[in-house]
Amino acid sequence: GAGVSQSPSNKVTEKGKDVELRCDPISGHTALYWYRQSLGQGLEFLIYFQGNSAPDKSGLPSDRFSAERTGGSVSTLTIQRTQQEDSAVYLCASSLALGTTNYGYTFGSGTRLTVV
Amino acid sequence: KQEVTQIPAALSVPEGENLVLNCSFTDSAIYNLQWFRQDPGKGLTSLLLIQSSQREQTSGRLNASLDKSSGRSTLYIAASQPGDSATYLCAVRPGANNLFFGTGTRLTVIP
Repeated sequence: GAGVSQSPSNKVTEKGKDVELRCDPISGHTALYWYRQSLGQGLEFLIYFQGNSAPDKSGLPSDRFSAERTGGSVSTLTIQRTQQEDSAVYLCASSLALGTTNYGYTFGSGTRLTVV
Repeated sequence: KQEVTQIPAALSVPEGENLVLNCSFTDSAIYNLQWFRQDPGKGLTSLLLIQSSQREQTSGRLNASLDKSSGRSTLYIAASQPGDSATYLCAVRPGANNLFFGTGTRLTVIP
């Protein structure tokens, strides 16, 4: 697609439920990143994919968080047993791989998750 | 670990003024630096990307400079407009796996 697409744009869920957030990167972008932005806070790195593999999962805050990427394209971030502190905007970005001429990041519009 | 700092944290200017936003980073080994704007409740919009070998990039009323050796970048906005009001973030890319973001400068342009 023309840009990075995230769905849903808004999600309200009850504490304890599982949620799945989807990111569809720009076609041809092999690198994909997930960030989290809590209210009034900076961007917190969660996980990075190069193709379908995730060389860096260091930012995932707990084992309730997991992510996968299939076909080198769409990625899903899953949060199990959601807690109120998981409420945030989850942002996805994609880029061309290192070594190409222009590998700036392009961000999606984010998914605003509210856990009640 | 790379640390990115932006000064000031907040800035208010009257419409029409030229202004400069500052970004500093602690490790000069970067591939590029990118400036973004973020409107309230929205995602990030890329403004300018400067490769490590470049000194500056321009787009319309925006000009970004990079001094890698001193770990500094500036974003210059000419003839500011109320529509420029947003939070501006700089981010450095030390390698393939991450962007390190600054703390942001919240800009308000007063009509």
